Amino acid sequence: NAGVTQTPKFQVLKTGQSMTLQCAQDMNHEYMSWYRQDPGMGLRLIHYSVGAGITDQGEVPNGYNVSRSTTEDFPLRLLSAAPSQTSVYFCASRGPVYRANYGYTFGSGTRLTVV
Amino acid sequence: GQQLNQSPQSMFIQEGEDVSMNCTSSSIFNTWLWYKQDPGEGPVLLIALYKAGELTSNGRLTAQFGITRKDSFLNISASIPSDVGIYFCAGRSNDYKLSFGAGTTVTVRA
Repeated sequence: NAGVTQTPKFQVLKTGQSMTLQCAQDMNHEYMSWYRQDPGMGLRLIHYSVGAGITDQGEVPNGYNVSRSTTEDFPLRLLSAAPSQTSVYFCASRGPVYRANYGYTFGSGTRLTVV
Repeated sequence: GQQLNQSPQSMFIQEGEDVSMNCTSSSIFNTWLWYKQDPGEGPVLLIALYKAGELTSNGRLTAQFGITRKDSFLNISASIPSDVGIYFCAGRSNDYKLSFGAGTTVTVRA
């Protein structure tokens, strides 16, 4: 089925470890983004990309890196995990804006715990 | 990001009830979106509103884009058990980024 695929679904890290959260979409969407979801705070934008080779910071980028070498993939890297990064992470993509379709398609999330 | 105030924070529903939630912002948005999130899943788009004053329905769901472009509401009529979940509003500004509300958690009243 077409959509946004995130891996892994669950991850436990020790403080200071690094890891990469994977995100792939097969809808040929140019725009991809990463959000974190924390209780009572909704979804906050970490990084986003408007196309291959182009990335930019969102609202809460510190401690995270991204790259966009292909249209399909948008991995999120935690450089040195901290307990404050314990959260649920969502990847989302969006089709062309000229189609008046501003709804994002979300992956099912990665639940990350940093101990 | 821009701050969206979503209320209520949580609500209990009884099957058959109509429920309502709303979102306000200090900034103007060009698009309002309403999402629902089931446990363990990502948010799924319910309704998109593109014009101030627009009233749109999707089955038992009705949403409106406020005339001031700073607010939106979502109504669920004749609620059923599968309506439980977290509902998020989101506003899109000129740069096409979305700002999300903190969510309304809907639970079935025992």
